[in-house]
Amino acid sequence: GESVGLHLPTLSVQEGDNSIINCAYSNSASDYFIWYKQESGKGPQFIIDIRSNMDKRQGQRVTVLLNKTVKHLSLQIAATQPGDSAVYFCAENITPSGNTPLVFGKGTRLSVIA
Amino acid sequence: GAVVSQHPSRVICKSGTSVKIECRSLDFQATTMFWYRQFPKQSLMLMATSNEGSKATYEQGVEKDKFLINHASLTLSTLTVTSAHPEDSSFYICSARLAGARNEQFFGPGTRLTVL
Repeated sequence: GESVGLHLPTLSVQEGDNSIINCAYSNSASDYFIWYKQESGKGPQFIIDIRSNMDKRQGQRVTVLLNKTVKHLSLQIAATQPGDSAVYFCAENITPSGNTPLVFGKGTRLSVIA
Repeated sequence: GAVVSQHPSRVICKSGTSVKIECRSLDFQATTMFWYRQFPKQSLMLMATSNEGSKATYEQGVEKDKFLINHASLTLSTLTVTSAHPEDSSFYICSARLAGARNEQFFGPGTRLTVL
């Protein structure tokens, strides 16, 4: 299930199940979105990105869905594995090119139960 | 490819001293690097944007005289925390932007700073 902690919401899933991590963004001008995975004590690791002219993009075991109408982004992880346990951040940018920095969401901790 | 390193990975210093953190893009040139700070169980907060050959752009609330940024080459940016205080203890992460259509950012492994 999903719960909201003091700072990071946590999602617990059984190994082998699919995970869905959600993110709401605030800037309607954002047109480039990235999902990052961060393991404890490490820097963020790129997972998948999507531009605003798309509503779905698939990678290896991961799918990102974008709903611009409600400014919502989700990351789906198929057949979740223990190695997927980490904190996941969505990030938005106004343009994929140019010099504007990424703005990070607050993150979701994914815990995989073996 | 597109590897970003940080040095040191962990540093402990006394209050009042200065600490320099290096961020290097190992296999690509980065005209823009970013510095983030992350407190426990929180998200990454952008501190400043570092542009090669020019002054850094600081986010609101970040003291430019306390957090000195130098981006002297296309592969190196440094962050110096001056007169460090215990409240500066945090995880500092840099990223380097890979120029191109996607303009993806690659992150370093982070530096854990502990000020006693």
